[in-house]
Amino acid sequence: NAGVTQTPKFRVLKTGQSMTLLCAQDMNHEYMYWYRQDPGMGLRLIHYSVGEGTTAKGEVPDGYNVSRLKKQNFLLGLESAAPSQTSVYFCASRPTGATGGYTFGSGTRLTVV
Amino acid sequence: AQTVTQSQPEMSVQEAETVTLSCTYDTSESNYYLFWYKQPPSRQMILVIRQEAYKQQNATENRFSVNFQKAAKSFSLKISDSQLGDTAMYFCAFRGETSGSRLTFGEGTQLTVNP
Repeated sequence: NAGVTQTPKFRVLKTGQSMTLLCAQDMNHEYMYWYRQDPGMGLRLIHYSVGEGTTAKGEVPDGYNVSRLKKQNFLLGLESAAPSQTSVYFCASRPTGATGGYTFGSGTRLTVV
Repeated sequence: AQTVTQSQPEMSVQEAETVTLSCTYDTSESNYYLFWYKQPPSRQMILVIRQEAYKQQNATENRFSVNFQKAAKSFSLKISDSQLGDTAMYFCAFRGETSGSRLTFGEGTQLTVNP
């Protein structure tokens, strides 16, 4: 089925470890986004991309890096994980145009101990 | 920067009754879009309804309707004939026409429908 796929779905990291979350979409969408969801805070934008090879900072970018080397993939990296990065991470994509809707992945639950 | 505020962290309603979830936002943009998303325990983000700011008519989708008050910057969601399957977290979201069309979300309202 077409959509947004996030890998992995669950992960436990130790403080200081690094990891990469993968978001893949097969809908040829230009825009892609990484959000984190924390209780009582809704979804907050970490980084986003408006096309292949582009990235931009969102609301809470500190401690994260991203890359969009291929149009269909948007990678979120944690170089040195901290307990404050324990969260559920969502990827989303949308096409260009005013009426294009957002497609969300199913989320990655990350725990940093 | 845009902000979205949902002042009701939790709400409950009896099955078959009507409930209204509140949302206010702040922006200096004149053209924008507003959304309500539903997130059940499965974590899936499901679009419930959307409203274009330039449209005066309130959007409706079956049992879901909005009360869009542009001057007051208010965007409430009314759920009629509530069903057990409506139990979920509901997020209000804003999208302007700048900054990569990103969504700004409110804090969320946990709605519980009781039998």
